[in-house]
Amino acid sequence: GAVVSQHPSRVICKSGTSVKIECRSLDFQATTMFWYRQFPKKSLMLMATSNEGSKATYEQGVEKDKFLINHASLTLSTLTVTSAHPEDSSFYICSAREAVASPLHFGNGTRLTVT
Amino acid sequence: QKEVEQNSGPLSVPEGAIASLNCTYSDRGSQSFFWYRQYSGKSPELIMFIYSNGDKEDGRFTAQLNKASQYVSLLIRDSQPSDSATYLCAAFLSGGYNKLIFGAGTRLAVHP
Repeated sequence: GAVVSQHPSRVICKSGTSVKIECRSLDFQATTMFWYRQFPKKSLMLMATSNEGSKATYEQGVEKDKFLINHASLTLSTLTVTSAHPEDSSFYICSAREAVASPLHFGNGTRLTVT
Repeated sequence: QKEVEQNSGPLSVPEGAIASLNCTYSDRGSQSFFWYRQYSGKSPELIMFIYSNGDKEDGRFTAQLNKASQYVSLLIRDSQPSDSATYLCAAFLSGGYNKLIFGAGTRLAVHP
């Protein structure tokens, strides 16, 4: 159980375009999902907490107008990187949990390359 | 700044040996701790979680928690080359922050 599906796994886009990443909890409902970013050889950095039916909570230094998060249902959260630039190239990983303080389960990640 | 600290490694152990991975955390109120394994280019996968002081065993893995010392460890017995990966320690922040904070990870290399 506790499967999180993330799509796409890899995307290459041109500078200035927008990219949408989907995260789905397949066998449980997730009122909260989390979006992380990871640069090469670095740890996971929490970008934002996605709450079903309400606005996301962004971490300090993360631009909410650039990284749009929509948690439209109990099983789906999306992250849209708007007007992407090469410095946005990174590994984006979503995660979800079944209950408060229970372990996070991660999607397979999306490797974004902005040219 | 609430932090989780790990030695980056690499920690090199021979096949069949015990690998010992350590982690300290700064938030004294943290109650839940997790170990994840991450292979290069992949997302993290949960190995173990521990909430109470003491040891918790699951197969070849043993997690140890000492809240007084703010210290968490993971022991891997009978290490295999397939255990070679980066191991991430994580802690849920207390005080309603609702966040899981990760250490930088320790790279483990198990050589035949």
